[in-house]
Amino acid sequence: AQKITQTQPGMFVQEKEAVTLDCTYDTSDQSYGLFWYKQPSSGEMIFLIYQGSYDEQNATEGRYSLNFQKARKSANLVISASQLGDSAMYFCAMRGRMDSSYKLIFGSGTRLLVRP
Amino acid sequence: EPEVTQTPSHQVTQMGQEVILRCVPISNHLYFYWYRQILGQKVEFLVSFYNNEISEKSEIFDDQFSVERPDGSNFTLKIRSTKLEDSAMYFCASSPLVELSEETQYFGPGTRLLVL
Repeated sequence: AQKITQTQPGMFVQEKEAVTLDCTYDTSDQSYGLFWYKQPSSGEMIFLIYQGSYDEQNATEGRYSLNFQKARKSANLVISASQLGDSAMYFCAMRGRMDSSYKLIFGSGTRLLVRP
Repeated sequence: EPEVTQTPSHQVTQMGQEVILRCVPISNHLYFYWYRQILGQKVEFLVSFYNNEISEKSEIFDDQFSVERPDGSNFTLKIRSTKLEDSAMYFCASSPLVELSEETQYFGPGTRLLVL
């Protein structure tokens, strides 16, 4: 069965420092997609970054990068130069089996608090 | 930038009443989804919809739930007889998925449903 694990329920980071949010996954599929979403206190789900399993390079989007280690089945999110507005819940997700509907399977989330 | 919209933002209903949650996916997207998030918990898949039919549904999506795309723009989730445990944030999402690299799902702002 496919599963996403986020082992850090909460994290603190000092403003302007970098932070890594952990995510490990379990799948038997050869092709899969990994995603990170941000959920601020207002509740919406904001897409941050995507990594395809066959992408050879780690994905980057502005201050977000994904440290993809396929052999270890990890897809950690790195946020550089943290800002106060980065305080939110962060969810790692994996696309389900290709022979299904591409549904997303989510982890339990990490709450990040950026300290001034 | 195109975005997924959802109405209403909040809905309060009595147990046993029917509710309809509305979504307008991004216009050129082909796959549509409903997810829910019970307060403090992870996001859970409910149903996916493609080519005017359900492509997959979860165990949560029982006979009390239905989805419909009544016209070319709206995508609705109906709960026929609400229960207390249906109280949650309901997210609509859509993805273009013309190619696998376009599988990212974009979420609407959510509808917060409270069943009393």
